[in-house]
Amino acid sequence: AQSVSQHNHHVILSEAASLELGCNYSYGGTVNLFWYVQYPGQHLQLLLKYFSGDPLVKGIKGFEAEFIKSKFSFNLRKPSVQWSDTAEYFCAVNAPFASGSARQLTFGSGTQLTVLP
Amino acid sequence: DGGITQSPKYLFRKEGQNVTLSCEQNLNHDAMYWYRQDPGQGLRLIYYSQIVNDFQKGDIAEGYSVSREKKESFPLTVTSAQKNPTAFYLCASSGNTNSYEQYFGPGTRLTVT
Repeated sequence: AQSVSQHNHHVILSEAASLELGCNYSYGGTVNLFWYVQYPGQHLQLLLKYFSGDPLVKGIKGFEAEFIKSKFSFNLRKPSVQWSDTAEYFCAVNAPFASGSARQLTFGSGTQLTVLP
Repeated sequence: DGGITQSPKYLFRKEGQNVTLSCEQNLNHDAMYWYRQDPGQGLRLIYYSQIVNDFQKGDIAEGYSVSREKKESFPLTVTSAQKNPTAFYLCASSGNTNSYEQYFGPGTRLTVT
């Protein structure tokens, strides 16, 4: 079974600082990769996703992520964070050809981002 | 207004009682999922259903049960056998394309005392 690691549990930044949140997964086959965000009091929502093609994907609100297959990584980045980016961020992986888990997502433990004004 | 609804938002129960959490979707999605979210542990899959009248156990199914009698509905019962039922429960659904993206409801926070 695949697993997802998010090593940063809580990140605190000042506004305008750059952000990079780490995500590593364990599955060696074809993967689809996702970043979800959970703003305080709101639904979990999709930030961006990678299925194939350009390994650098852009999402909403200025976020981007880079898929590095050799490192089994899908790190989330934003050049300049805002106070409104304060939220919990989850990395997730889908292994569409893995036995018994074609449509499942495996989530990381999440990273709480706090942006100080 | 399409989406996933979960009710109630907050639920309180006494230990030893079964409780059923509601999840309804009007997105016409075939697949539906139940997750449990605990601080520092991310989302863990409890049960999922790919089609009506069929469902499979996820990673932490013990102490839970589900049914899928209608495409729109996927209720979760937290039974008295679940040792640590207090948690935030999220329902999700995914469509019929190859996108594998899941859409989430607002969640139900269950507290058992």
